[in-house]
Amino acid sequence: NAGVTQTPKFRVLKTGQSMTLLCAQDMNHEYMYWYRQDPGMGLRLIHYSVGEGTTAKGEVPDGYNVSRLKKQNFLLGLESAAPSQTSVYFCASRPQGRETQYFGPGTRLLVL
Amino acid sequence: EDQVTQSPEALRLQEGESSSLNCSYTVSGLRGLFWYRQDPGKGPEFLFTLYSAGEEKEKERLKATLTKKESFLHITAPKPEDSATYLCAVQGDPGTYKYIFGTGTRLKVLA
Repeated sequence: NAGVTQTPKFRVLKTGQSMTLLCAQDMNHEYMYWYRQDPGMGLRLIHYSVGEGTTAKGEVPDGYNVSRLKKQNFLLGLESAAPSQTSVYFCASRPQGRETQYFGPGTRLLVL
Repeated sequence: EDQVTQSPEALRLQEGESSSLNCSYTVSGLRGLFWYRQDPGKGPEFLFTLYSAGEEKEKERLKATLTKKESFLHITAPKPEDSATYLCAVQGDPGTYKYIFGTGTRLKVLA
């Protein structure tokens, strides 16, 4: 049982490049979340999903897109990376009926 | 507006010196208050969930308590391995599925 895993662990992009971050969970959780964590700020919700095939915007969705084609995977896409998207990205999941979220190890993204 | 404020921002303790971390919150209809531990370069690790005022939970040297306005994370006789950032979060309106996180307290326990 690996829990929540994230790929890649670290990535450097140039401004304007695109990339996809992958989150996978093997706990059969219904809900999945993407957050970003920046110094001096709390975790901020980018997008979330309440089930396979559904997505919704969070607090800071601009510049990001997501997809949940399979229940166990939640993808975060950056179509045209900007330096302001330099951050640490965390994925989390939780089961239906329980409020506690479980987090992945994070992806560090540097946009030059 | 839903809000979570953690204090202090940073705390240095000697090994064995007990203390408390504070999490003050404003939320419309608390569905849960969560404490996480985060080590450098790692993801948040779940510690406790509290649901209603008066509730308490313990794990080893940690004890979390909840009132209608704030939560405390009490650390009894801390050890250097307790050094980490402790995050507090709340979930309010269930229709939004959103969680509000504080900025954390960085705890350093000196041997």
